[in-house]
Amino acid sequence: GENVEQHPSTLSVQEGDSAVIKCTYSDSASNYFPWYKQELGKRPQLIIDIRSNVGEKKDQRIAVTLNKTAKHFSLHITETQPEDSAVYFCAASFTGFQKLVFGTGTRLLVSP
Amino acid sequence: DTEVTQTPKHLVMGMTNKKSLKCEQHMGHRAMYWYKQKAKKPPELMFVYSYEKLSINESVPSRFSPECPNSSLLNLHLHALQPEDSALYLCASSLGGGRRSSGNTIYFGEGSWLTVV
Repeated sequence: GENVEQHPSTLSVQEGDSAVIKCTYSDSASNYFPWYKQELGKRPQLIIDIRSNVGEKKDQRIAVTLNKTAKHFSLHITETQPEDSAVYFCAASFTGFQKLVFGTGTRLLVSP
Repeated sequence: DTEVTQTPKHLVMGMTNKKSLKCEQHMGHRAMYWYKQKAKKPPELMFVYSYEKLSINESVPSRFSPECPNSSLLNLHLHALQPEDSALYLCASSLGGGRRSSGNTIYFGEGSWLTVV
């Protein structure tokens, strides 16, 4: 079945720096790639997503890129702020099923 | 309004108890999900309902029994659980109800924290 690998597992940056989280997926038929942010004790919240017909998508300080050939996608956060500190999960969706397979998560810590 | 409401927020139950987790959404979504999340792990899919019919069961033990009374409600009935079943149980929903509706945004509820003693 689909497998999603996510790196790094932890990422510490200074406020104002950029942060990049990378994911690779195994099923070339996957066509939907959301990113969720989960703060401690809270629900996962969708922050951005990308579909396989698009190579890049931006929303203010957040961007996601997709390389279908290499089967990897990345989350880019610019001008990080302490409130960006959370666990970030990437996910990939099987074509033909309503099943999201999540990566293992990245704990992002933004220090003031 | 992207609201998925779950009750209770916290539940402590003994291994011989029977309890239920409840989930509700009024967004007209036709797919509803149960996920289980252990500490420091990603959410794991348990069940998917599409148009009120069970479409995916990820080989979940029978001590977990889902029910979809109508298009807005989803329950998870719990019986004879084990301490290792303690986790955050997340309900979610998405617009698409068809089996081939990949790509629809999945919205999560706040979750129910379950402790089995």
